[in-house]
Amino acid sequence: GESVGLHLPTLSVQEGDNSIINCAYSNSASDYFIWYKQESGKGPQFIIDIRSNMDKRQGQRVTVLLNKTVKHLSLQIAATQPGDSAVYFCAENIDYKLSFGAGTTVTVRA
Amino acid sequence: EAGVAQSPRYKIIEKRQSVAFWCNPISGHATLYWYQQILGQGPKLLIQFQNNGVVDDSQLPKDRFSAERLKGVDSTLKIQPAKLEDSAVYLCASSVTGQETQYFGPGTRLLVL
Repeated sequence: GESVGLHLPTLSVQEGDNSIINCAYSNSASDYFIWYKQESGKGPQFIIDIRSNMDKRQGQRVTVLLNKTVKHLSLQIAATQPGDSAVYFCAENIDYKLSFGAGTTVTVRA
Repeated sequence: EAGVAQSPRYKIIEKRQSVAFWCNPISGHATLYWYQQILGQGPKLLIQFQNNGVVDDSQLPKDRFSAERLKGVDSTLKIQPAKLEDSAVYLCASSVTGQETQYFGPGTRLLVL
């Protein structure tokens, strides 16, 4: 079965608000995690990654937090924009193979 | 830098027919992956190549699926014969050897009727 999962399948957020997307993983040996964004009709697009020796990493408008104690990671999107509407996947990398969760569909309300 | 290219973008076939998908990875990426993404799910790895050799094909249904990467660059994935449950998006991804980040192509959407 899947070792990576997301807490909520959908998230509706008001434009301009911050979004938080959560993901739980079960494999304590996982040492690298990636967040991907997939827009309708497109392939997954790399957003940000984090290694297990870190607990936070920031990008442009995005922050990933990793809590190894409870095997949880989250993706925070600041000032959510209409273009952020997509399905977001977390994936764990073990031996250069990705294991994906089911995804969270983010809908941005105008 | 050009991304991962895939063709065709869409394909509709009847069950028991054959179909082939093509992928050209990012230039210089020695590692190539094929994934199957069923509607509403995350991508699932089918096969991983390192240059022209197979690294992992443990999740590939070998009775009907085959893949090759003869010259270590582009790759083809074939389904013969197709079943209804093969309806999905087939994604190709590539990476630099030794780096975990994979870059995905736009996918081929297959509908089996």
